[in-house]
Amino acid sequence: SAVISQKPSRDICQRGTSLTIQCQVDSQVTMMFWYRQQPGQSLTLIATANQGSEATYESGFVIDKFPISRPNLTFSTLTVSNMSPEDSSIYLCSVERTGTGYTFGSGTRLTVV
Amino acid sequence: AQRVTQPEKLLSVFKGAPVELKCNYSYSGSPELFWYVQYSRQRLQLLLRHISRESIKGFTADLNKGETSFHLKKPFAQEEDSAMYYCALRDNYGQNFVFGPGTRLSVLP
Repeated sequence: SAVISQKPSRDICQRGTSLTIQCQVDSQVTMMFWYRQQPGQSLTLIATANQGSEATYESGFVIDKFPISRPNLTFSTLTVSNMSPEDSSIYLCSVERTGTGYTFGSGTRLTVV
Repeated sequence: AQRVTQPEKLLSVFKGAPVELKCNYSYSGSPELFWYVQYSRQRLQLLLRHISRESIKGFTADLNKGETSFHLKKPFAQEEDSAMYYCALRDNYGQNFVFGPGTRLSVLP
């Protein structure tokens, strides 16, 4: 399966600031996915990032709040903008490799104070 | 819209006992079902998927379309099975991937 490096692993941020999370994959993948896991809840898909096109956002998530970059087939970033305490979550990137299912990064634990 | 439910937030069993983690889904088409596991301080990882019909770490899961279920089973639980388990569904367009709320399995010595 793919190897995903996600960073930072955790951060504590002031409200009103922004944090950019990076996800690096060891091989080329068409689609990369960004998830959020709020405390006590399951994973929720934020958006799907395709290389060379705008990310596709799920209901309830907007580009202004969660801008995504996908400059090439092995890398993506998710920015959490103008953070509030409600944004405190674990954020995960994920890719799918044919025949092996989805692989997840180790996650970024974000705390907004 | 598709939905995945896992009725138990926490399941505790003794070592050597059988374990079944329940998963039900609602989807009008033909979904693809997965089980993911997250051990303490480790990343979420795929445990098994219904289309491969494999057994990983002694776990099996059978897709029952009549009951819209994909329960995860293991005949003899081990302490190292203690983890968070997520059932997930992907629709037949391959676009939408939905996770259940998760079940924390605790295997007691």
